[in-house]
Amino acid sequence: DQQVKQNSPSLSVQEGRISILNCDYTNSMFDYFLWYKKYPAEGPTFLISISSIKDKNEDGRFTVFLNKSAKHLSLHIVPSQPGDSAVYFCAASVYPGTALIFGKGTTLSVSS
Amino acid sequence: NAGVTQTPKFQVLKTGQSMTLQCAQDMNHEYMSWYRQDPGMGLRLIHYSVGAGITDQGEVPNGYNVSRSTTEDFPLRLLSAAPSQTSVYFCASSPPPPTDTQYFGPGTRLTVL
Repeated sequence: DQQVKQNSPSLSVQEGRISILNCDYTNSMFDYFLWYKKYPAEGPTFLISISSIKDKNEDGRFTVFLNKSAKHLSLHIVPSQPGDSAVYFCAASVYPGTALIFGKGTTLSVSS
Repeated sequence: NAGVTQTPKFQVLKTGQSMTLQCAQDMNHEYMSWYRQDPGMGLRLIHYSVGAGITDQGEVPNGYNVSRSTTEDFPLRLLSAAPSQTSVYFCASSPPPPTDTQYFGPGTRLTVL
């Protein structure tokens, strides 16, 4: 049973517009949520994170929103750029810094 | 800092062979983990360690062994490789809490024939 779900395998967005990537989880013990970006033939790169005591975290063009009651989080990228084209993984853990459970990823394509 | 390094980058094994995937980090991180990624799947946790001498199983531990004798190294051993272990393997490390971020290596692509 998947504990972290990314139900959209792909997303296409025009340059300058907003990209919204969604993630749902089932384990109520998760307290730490992270987004990773991955290019082909490379390891995942950390993007942004949020803990369960917050409902929003911003870092430049990236904002993560957490809705604990709905067990849902989303990543907003504004404005989207062609260099943002990659696979984005949502991940969650009970304890910080270890034992991440990943979703299957969403492939984002940003066209110019 | 070199960060998290993994060797080899590529490996082809025959069914039944054994091998060790190497992972090292020079950031003095306490926590280290191994993941595998298969096509169409996210990364799945194999084993993890919260410090030298301490390891635990993740989601898919069968067929893999780990040990953590030093802070820097966290090797992953395949005792008898099977075609189902064909995958890309990623090692990650992180400082202890409250940091929640794991830093990943570049991966090892393993093919078992």
